[in-house]
Amino acid sequence: AQSVTQLGSHVSVSEGALVLLRCNYSSSVPPYLFWYVQYPNQGLQLLLKYTTGATLVKGINGFEAEFKKSETSFHLTKPSAHMSDAAEYFCAVSRQGAQKLVFGQGTRLTINP
Amino acid sequence: DTGVSQDPRHKITKRGQNVTFRCDPISEHNRLYWYRQTLGQGPEFLTYFQNEAQLEKSRLLSDRFSAERPKGSFSTLEIQRTEQGDSAMYLCASSLGSGPTSEQYFGPGTRLTVT
Repeated sequence: AQSVTQLGSHVSVSEGALVLLRCNYSSSVPPYLFWYVQYPNQGLQLLLKYTTGATLVKGINGFEAEFKKSETSFHLTKPSAHMSDAAEYFCAVSRQGAQKLVFGQGTRLTINP
Repeated sequence: DTGVSQDPRHKITKRGQNVTFRCDPISEHNRLYWYRQTLGQGPEFLTYFQNEAQLEKSRLLSDRFSAERPKGSFSTLEIQRTEQGDSAMYLCASSLGSGPTSEQYFGPGTRLTVT
């Protein structure tokens, strides 16, 4: 079975500071990994995904994530936070042969002015 | 591309009543998914369709839940004899393609409150 753990249900950073949202996964087979963002009253939007190949993945809005197999991690980072980044972020995992996404519990990101 | 739409956006019902939600996927997307999201949790998979065929159902989908996608376009999710534990956000997503790496596009959700 696959599972995702997001460390920290709430993260607060100052505008301009580094954003680091943590995600660890459990999977018995090579995983496909995703980060989604959810703004209030909107659907989830894909930020980036890792399937195969390069382990550093760049996404939209300046976010990136690095797949580290040895650490079973897929942490999301952004060098400089913007007020518009305030939202809920979800890490998700899938695998070959499965169609569903398994999500973590989410991390609410707050940006302080 | 108008995105995935869901109707209604909010539904308040009394315990024991039946409710039905509708999802309109992005045109020509062959896959459609239903997820449920409770407060403070990530979405949980309920079921998915490829065209009109329902190919997988979660054990979360009790016999009070039924989903259809009759013509491979829109889908409905019905909950019979609602219980307070059914209160949640019901999310629909669609994708084009057959692999697990295809991007799932999510709708805004239907928030169900059972009183």
